Amino acid sequence: GAGVSQSPSNKVTEKGKDVELRCDPISGHTALYWYRQSLGQGLEFLIYFQGNSAPDKSGLPSDRFSAERTGGSVSTLTIQRTQQEDSAVYLCASSLTSGSLETQYFGPGTRLLVL
Amino acid sequence: QKEVEQNSGPLSVPEGAIASLNCTYSDRGSQSFFWYRQYSGKSPELIMFIYSNGDKEDGRFTAQLNKASQYVSLLIRDSQPSDSATYLCAVKEGGSEKLVFGKGTKLTVNP
Repeated sequence: GAGVSQSPSNKVTEKGKDVELRCDPISGHTALYWYRQSLGQGLEFLIYFQGNSAPDKSGLPSDRFSAERTGGSVSTLTIQRTQQEDSAVYLCASSLTSGSLETQYFGPGTRLLVL
Repeated sequence: QKEVEQNSGPLSVPEGAIASLNCTYSDRGSQSFFWYRQYSGKSPELIMFIYSNGDKEDGRFTAQLNKASQYVSLLIRDSQPSDSATYLCAVKEGGSEKLVFGKGTKLTVNP
């Protein structure tokens, strides 16, 4: 079946603009995760959804970052008033459900460059 | 701050050799452990997961977990040039759904 898909694959924006990144999880997967990978940094957790609820938003770096999920499927990560330090690859992952034994499968990522 | 540590490498091995990748973690409550492979410019791809102490084998890959030492490793037997990638160790902490990643070990397999 289809894997996790993300769009756009690349995004170039100017400092101060808002951007929206989209994630389509694997069909039937109820848990969805956003991570960020910056140059020279490891993968950093941003937010986790179970269904449409976000029980863990602890990784969102500032209030400029928000995310929502509708219909238990598609999720959108929004970054307002982008800064140059927001430049990174934003990765979405999904798992069948939540729990310590569940594995997360990653999408191809969105490469964001803030000029 | 809960951490996952990996030797950043680069680790270079000849084709056909065994590559050994190591990872330590700080949270004793961690319950599940994952190895992802990431080719340059690509997203992480799951290689192995392990939950119980001991060894778990899958083809040329063996994951080893020692919870007492807070240590997890990945062995790649008969290494191939196509195994050249960055290997990410990830830990899921008890009571949390998020994965905490190490910064990865870059492996090069020389023909």
